[in-house]
Amino acid sequence: GPKVLQIPSHQIIDMGQMVTLNCDPVSNHLYFYWYKQILGQQMEFLVNFYNGKVMEKSKLFKDQFSVERPDGSYFTLKIQPTALEDSAVYFCASSFQGDTQYFGPGTRLLVL
Amino acid sequence: GEQVEQLPSILRVQEGSSASINCSYEDSASNYFPWYKQEPGENPKLIIDIRSNMERKQIQELIVLLDKKAKRFSLHITDTQPGDSAMYFCAASATGANTGKLTFGHGTILRVHP
Repeated sequence: GPKVLQIPSHQIIDMGQMVTLNCDPVSNHLYFYWYKQILGQQMEFLVNFYNGKVMEKSKLFKDQFSVERPDGSYFTLKIQPTALEDSAVYFCASSFQGDTQYFGPGTRLLVL
Repeated sequence: GEQVEQLPSILRVQEGSSASINCSYEDSASNYFPWYKQEPGENPKLIIDIRSNMERKQIQELIVLLDKKAKRFSLHITDTQPGDSAMYFCAASATGANTGKLTFGHGTILRVHP
C-alpha cells in the first residue's frame, strides 16, 4: 500500500529541549495528520493539516506544539519546549481526500 | 466530540474459529469506519473500512457490519490463523467536515492459538 515515511524512528532528548518530527507523506495526498500513542493505548488525534493550514486540533495539541509543511517538503511536528509527558510514539498519517488514512512507522520519542 | 467504545479488550480464539470485535460510536455525523491492525512495534495498518452508505463489506476472511441506527459496527474474522494475532483498533470519522480526524477505540488484543 501507500507508504508514509517518518524521520527519525527514535529520539531521546532532555526535558525542555526542542524536537522536530518529520513526516514524508504519500506524494499525491492532500491531508496530513499527527496522532500520539502511549504504550498499550489507542492512537489519539493531535492535529490535521490541509492546504497549508491547521484544520482542527485536539486538547492534546498544546501551545508548545506546532506543525508546518514548507513548500511541499516534510510535514513537521515541533515541540518546544518538551515535557516528560510528551514521551510517546508519534504517528504521521496522510490521506488523499480526508477519509482513508495511511500511517507512517512512527517516531518513538523519549523525554528525560 | 466523538467517543468510540470497543469490546472486548482481549479475545482468545482457537485457530480456525471466528473472532468478533464490536464497536459503538456517539456522533451521528460519523460516516466512515476503518479498522486497523497493529503488531508490536509497528504502525497501524488499514485492513478494511466501511462507509455509511453500506451495511456490510467483505474482503476475503474479513467482514465488517454497520448498523447506523444503533451506532454500532463490528469486525468479524472467519477462519482465524496465528498470523491474525495482533491488536485491532476500530475508528470513526466524519468525513466532509474538513477534518477527517479518526477517533479510535481502545483496541482489542486478539490471540489465535494453534
